[in-house]
Amino acid sequence: NAGVTQTPKFRILKIGQSMTLQCTQDMNHNYMYWYRQDPGMGLKLIYYSVGAGITDKGEVPNGYNVSRSTTEDFPLRLELAAPSQTSVYFCASSRKGDSPLHFGNGTRLTVT
Amino acid sequence: AQTVTQSQPEMSVQEAETVTLSCTYDTSESNYYLFWYKQPPSRQMILVIRQEAYKQQNATENRFSVNFQKAAKSFSLKISDSQLGDTAMYFCAFMKPNYPSQGGSEKLVFGKGTKLTVNP
Repeated sequence: NAGVTQTPKFRILKIGQSMTLQCTQDMNHNYMYWYRQDPGMGLKLIYYSVGAGITDKGEVPNGYNVSRSTTEDFPLRLELAAPSQTSVYFCASSRKGDSPLHFGNGTRLTVT
Repeated sequence: AQTVTQSQPEMSVQEAETVTLSCTYDTSESNYYLFWYKQPPSRQMILVIRQEAYKQQNATENRFSVNFQKAAKSFSLKISDSQLGDTAMYFCAFMKPNYPSQGGSEKLVFGKGTKLTVNP
């Protein structure tokens, strides 16, 4: 099993550009999450999903959008990128709500 | 809202020695889960250990053990016989269980992390 796979690993965007961070998991997990990690900080939740067709906002959702059309995929969309979105983004999944999270390897995004 | 505090931004330890990382949290819940995650330079987030609040026994995983003090809301991680490969950021995290009638989902709340360096 590949676990949680994120692409790309690195990306540089110009201010105002848009992009989609891809996340897919092959563990048939219902729960999926997007976190961002700023330097010297812990992870903060952007969006999460408890199953296909269901998404909800986390702690820092502004500037992002998500969709969950399948159990496997949970893409994160950045519209009109801003320097404040420079961060490392982690996707994670879990089998059920109180199960430990499985993380992807992260995407380092720089907005200049 | 739950908060997690890690008061030690950086720590170092000599190889083969023991080190303890501190974590405190704030919650009004009586049932919850606590985790320690390790993030090596590779950036991968790796689960180290998990503790269920209703269990009084401290969780252990090989060289890793916790000291869970529920009344004090403290959850420290002890690493015994430290190895060079233990060098990493360590994050303490809190999760409140979800009850279907309340909707929503559990969400991990992370501390800011402790950077641990194991010296040869």
